[in-house]
Amino acid sequence: SQKIEQNSEALNIQEGKTATLTCNYTNYSPAYLQWYRQDPGRGPVFLLLIRENEKEKRKERLKVTFDTTLKQSLFHITASQPADSATYLCAPGGTSGTYKYIFGTGTRLKVLA
Amino acid sequence: DTAVSQTPKYLVTQMGNDKSIKCEQNLGHDTMYWYKQDSKKFLKIMFSYNNKELIINETVPNRFSPKSPDKAHLNLHINSLELGDSAVYFCASSQNTGGDYEQYFGPGTRLTVT
Repeated sequence: SQKIEQNSEALNIQEGKTATLTCNYTNYSPAYLQWYRQDPGRGPVFLLLIRENEKEKRKERLKVTFDTTLKQSLFHITASQPADSATYLCAPGGTSGTYKYIFGTGTRLKVLA
Repeated sequence: DTAVSQTPKYLVTQMGNDKSIKCEQNLGHDTMYWYKQDSKKFLKIMFSYNNKELIINETVPNRFSPKSPDKAHLNLHINSLELGDSAVYFCASSQNTGGDYEQYFGPGTRLTVT
C-alpha cells in the first residue's frame, strides 16, 4: 500500500540555520507533491507545490526538491526563525483520476532563539 | 473574511448519538473535502465532492454520510457515534480536482465521543 514517511521525531535547530525536512514515499508515483504547515489547533496551510518534472521550487526562504528516482522530497527553510516553529506535512498526490493527496504524519520543527 | 469555515469548533457527545458538522467556503471553489486527523496527527481523506458530485469515497464506515447542498457547502453527518470517531475533522476546498491545485483548510472540528 502507499506509504508516506516523514521524520517522526521533532527537529530542533538554532535560529538562523537551515532546516531540512525529509519526505519519503513508497508504492506510489505522484505527479505532484505539496507541502503544508500546521500550527497547533489549526488547519494545515499550503506552502509550496512541485511537479514531477520540476527538480526544485523556491518561494522566499523556502525551497523544495522532488526526486522521483529516490522517491523523496526535501523541504528547506533557510535563515530559520522562531516563527517557523510548526509541524510540516508533505502530501504527494495527483497520479490520475481523482487526484487524491495522501498526507504524511508531519515533522515538528522547533527553531530555538 | 474566513475562507473555509466549520461549525462547531468543538463537539462533545456520547456514544450512540448522531451529530453533524457543517462546512462553508467563500472562495468560489468547485471541490470540497473532508479529512480526519487522529491522535497521532495522521491526516486522512474521507470524502471529496466536485460541483456537488461525490468523487472520492475512501474506506469510511457508512455511518458517515456527506452531503453537498451546493458548491459552497459540504456537511458531514455521523450516525451512531463510536469512541473511535474521536478526532479532529477538517474541511478543505480547492479550485478544482486537478492535481496542481492547493487545498484551503478550515479550522477543524474537534469531536470527542465519551
